[in-house]
Amino acid sequence: GESVGLHLPTLSVQEGDNSIINCAYSNSASDYFIWYKQESGKGPQFIIDIRSNMDKRQGQRVTVLLNKTVKHLSLQIAATQPGDSAVYFCAEKFGDSWGKLQFGAGTQVVVTP
Amino acid sequence: DGGITQSPKYLFRKEGQNVTLSCEQNLNHDAMYWYRQDPGQGLRLIYYSQIVNDFQKGDIAEGYSVSREKKESFPLTVTSAQKNPTAFYLCASSTTGTLAYEQYFGPGTRLTVT
Repeated sequence: GESVGLHLPTLSVQEGDNSIINCAYSNSASDYFIWYKQESGKGPQFIIDIRSNMDKRQGQRVTVLLNKTVKHLSLQIAATQPGDSAVYFCAEKFGDSWGKLQFGAGTQVVVTP
Repeated sequence: DGGITQSPKYLFRKEGQNVTLSCEQNLNHDAMYWYRQDPGQGLRLIYYSQIVNDFQKGDIAEGYSVSREKKESFPLTVTSAQKNPTAFYLCASSTTGTLAYEQYFGPGTRLTVT
């Protein structure tokens, strides 16, 4: 989800459950999407990316789904662990851009024991 | 070990002073970026550079300046004209001209202006 202001959307997940983080992107002409994880006080780290000619891509414990019809992106984390607690950002690259990314506000994921 | 370094991690300044944030990369990337992050918000692009000696304004360039004299370095100056300079500043780099658009981020500098 997207948010403006001091409070990010928060997803509370029990350890071992699967997490689904959603993102609505803005530009129907965007051709590349990326998910980042940011731990408190640190720089964002790459998780996974997907191009617009794909609907799904899997990595280690993560899956990204792209629905271009409704301009929606999701990140699924399997068997969520305490180390997955962080803010997750999606970003899109507009089709006419050489590499500039447009970032969403992020979702705070809190993993509870 | 390849990566991006930003220094210092924390920076404190008095209002009215200019301050320069350092960003260095040894990834041999052509493109470099500066973002600003405020609490509860996404990253906003300040300036970016696709190649040495060239840079462009991002979405919130007012009150900031940059230089790109070397491929490895992209310092950001926060001037006294920036109305709300207190924020977390992130530098990133990426390749250009390929199909890989991932940006690699540094650890950030937290600037506090009082």
